[in-house]
Amino acid sequence: KAGVTQTPRYLIKTRGQQVTLSCSPISGHRSVSWYQQTPGQGLQFLFEYFSETQRNKGNFPGRFSGRQFSNSRSEMNVSTLELGDSALYLCASSFGRQGGGYTFGSGTRLTVV
Amino acid sequence: ELKVEQNPLFLSMQEGKNYTIYCNYSTTSDRLYWYRQDPGKSLESLFVLLSNGAVKQEGRLMASLDTKARLSTLHITAAVHDLSATYFCAVDPSTGQFYFGTGTSLTVIP
Repeated sequence: KAGVTQTPRYLIKTRGQQVTLSCSPISGHRSVSWYQQTPGQGLQFLFEYFSETQRNKGNFPGRFSGRQFSNSRSEMNVSTLELGDSALYLCASSFGRQGGGYTFGSGTRLTVV
Repeated sequence: ELKVEQNPLFLSMQEGKNYTIYCNYSTTSDRLYWYRQDPGKSLESLFVLLSNGAVKQEGRLMASLDTKARLSTLHITAAVHDLSATYFCAVDPSTGQFYFGTGTSLTVIP
């Protein structure tokens, strides 16, 4: 079965621009979470969506936002990009919080110049 | 905030040797996961541990969970080069947020 699909795979943006990343979860999965991975900070939680509702949010500035659509696909948006936003952004999906763990997508590598 | 500590951060081991990676966490949780990440790639799920005393094995890797000690271990038996990767543990306190360890970068030397 198809896995978690993230697009685009690579992105280069200029400081001050905004960016939108997309995530299509595994069919049937209703929970989508986003993580930022950097060499210095490791894996940090951004937000979690379930049935179009944000259920949890990490400690990131308001420039980071997301949403989930009725088909469970999710997008995250970063406005006014900073150099420090350069990272691998990972999306993960699951059925819910029942404890089965999350399946991660291949990630979007964002570089801000 | 829940803290997850992994050690060692870096591990270089010879093929055929055994070693254990440790994952300690700071608050009660019955759910712990192990993931593998190859350079430039995403996270691949290795083990799902959902109760105290859980033990899972797959090939040369075995993971265990002691919720009372707030400790999980990932044991590597007779390492081979293909196991070279970064390994992460992640604690799930049922909030929808995983708390990841710092990762252990494993290099297996022929």
